[in-house]
Amino acid sequence: SQQGEEDPQALSIQEGENATMNCSYKTSINNLQWYRQNSGRGLVHLILIRSNEREKHSGRLRVTLDTSKKSSSLLITASRAADTASYFCATDYGGTALIFGKGTTLSVSS
Amino acid sequence: KAGVTQTPRYLIKTRGQQVTLSCSPISGHRSVSWYQQTPGQGLQFLFEYFSETQRNKGNFPGRFSGRQFSNSRSEMNVSTLELGDSALYLCASSLGQGGYTEAFFGQGTRLTVV
Repeated sequence: SQQGEEDPQALSIQEGENATMNCSYKTSINNLQWYRQNSGRGLVHLILIRSNEREKHSGRLRVTLDTSKKSSSLLITASRAADTASYFCATDYGGTALIFGKGTTLSVSS
Repeated sequence: KAGVTQTPRYLIKTRGQQVTLSCSPISGHRSVSWYQQTPGQGLQFLFEYFSETQRNKGNFPGRFSGRQFSNSRSEMNVSTLELGDSALYLCASSLGQGGYTEAFFGQGTRLTVV
């Protein structure tokens, strides 16, 4: 079963614009992670935010976590065509597995 | 440092056959997890192994099984293949048990059942 749910399912923007994706989850977590997947390939880890953290930055990425609302957001600033990919949030499940949402497909056009 | 290696990359099997997929984790990683990815269901968790023990299992029938060897390499087996088993199978390794640390994914094995 899916623990996380990303929103929107698809997002199309122009290069240079910001992209925001949201993730909601169902049960309490120890941490939340975001991954990127380029067309049919393996996933690449982007960022991990622990349950006691509210915000984390990595380059052009900013992740927020609101445990009271069981939600997280991923902001990509100044998007580039190379950011075109699917983005997934993942949460730990019972501390022994990483469970993924269905993802947001981001398309950045030049 | 070598990444996660999955073999084979592509596989075509006939309904009713069985298949074994292999995953070599990053050196030093003791946790290996397997996922099935399909357009309809997304990324579904299959199982996780840590130090040769299955720590967690997803909601899949008993036809799906796996194991982990003492060198942390892992295999998953699917018996009596069905058309619906066609998918991208992804393996991920991590230092600690799944969920606590970042996972490193292989490129996947694309299985087609005909």
